[in-house]
Amino acid sequence: AQKVTQAQTEISVVEKEDVTLDCVYETRDTTYYLFWYKQPPSGELVFLIRRNSFDEQNEISGRYSWNFQKSTSSFNFTITASQVVDSAVYFCALATEYGNKLVFGAGTILRVKS
Amino acid sequence: GAVVSQHPSWVICKSGTSVKIECRSLDFQATTMFWYRQFPKQSLMLMATSNEGSKATYEQGVEKDKFLINHASLTLSTLTVTSAHPEDSSFYICSARGGGEGYTFGSGTRLTVV
Repeated sequence: AQKVTQAQTEISVVEKEDVTLDCVYETRDTTYYLFWYKQPPSGELVFLIRRNSFDEQNEISGRYSWNFQKSTSSFNFTITASQVVDSAVYFCALATEYGNKLVFGAGTILRVKS
Repeated sequence: GAVVSQHPSWVICKSGTSVKIECRSLDFQATTMFWYRQFPKQSLMLMATSNEGSKATYEQGVEKDKFLINHASLTLSTLTVTSAHPEDSSFYICSARGGGEGYTFGSGTRLTVV
C-alpha cells in the first residue's frame, strides 16, 4: 500500500524566515511520482511540482526548492524568505503509476506572519 | 494549459434533496476522472475513479448508491449526492488525468446540507 506522511500539522513563521515542509512516503513500486500542491483558503489546488522516482535531482524554482532523497523516502519542500502570501495548506502526494490515483498526505498548514 | 471547470463552486441544499456537481475538461479529453472529498482541516480522500463509458470504481467505505458518478463523455463527469444529509457537507473536488502536470484539478464545490 502507498502512504504519505506529513508529520508537521502546522508551522508558524515570521515573514522572511526560511521554512521546510517534510514529506515521507512509502511504496513498494520502483516507479512512482511525487507531487506538491498548495491549497489557499479559497480551496483550489495549485500544482507546485512533480518528480518521478528516477529523477533525484533537486529543483529550485524562485523561492521554492525541493529535496528528493530516495534513501530516506523523503521529498521535502523549502520556502526561502517566506511571505504572507505563502500562507496555505501544503499537500504532498504520491502516484505509483503515472495517471493513477493520487494518495495525499495529511497536509501542513503554513502560517506566515508579518 | 489544461483546465477543468467545476460547477457549482458552492451549494446549499435541504436535507433529503439531491445535488449534482459537474466537472468539465475544457481543452483536453479526460478519459479518467477522480473525485475527492475533503472535510474541514483534513486531507483529500479519494471517493471514486471514473473512466469514460464505464462504471465508476468506488473506494472502500464510499456508498455508490449515494454518490452517483456518471462519466458519459470524454469531457464531462458528474457527481450526484443523493438524499443529502448534513454529514455529507464537505468540499468536493474533481481531478482529471491529463494536462501537462499529470493531473488537472477542478476548483472544488463546497456543499452545505441544512
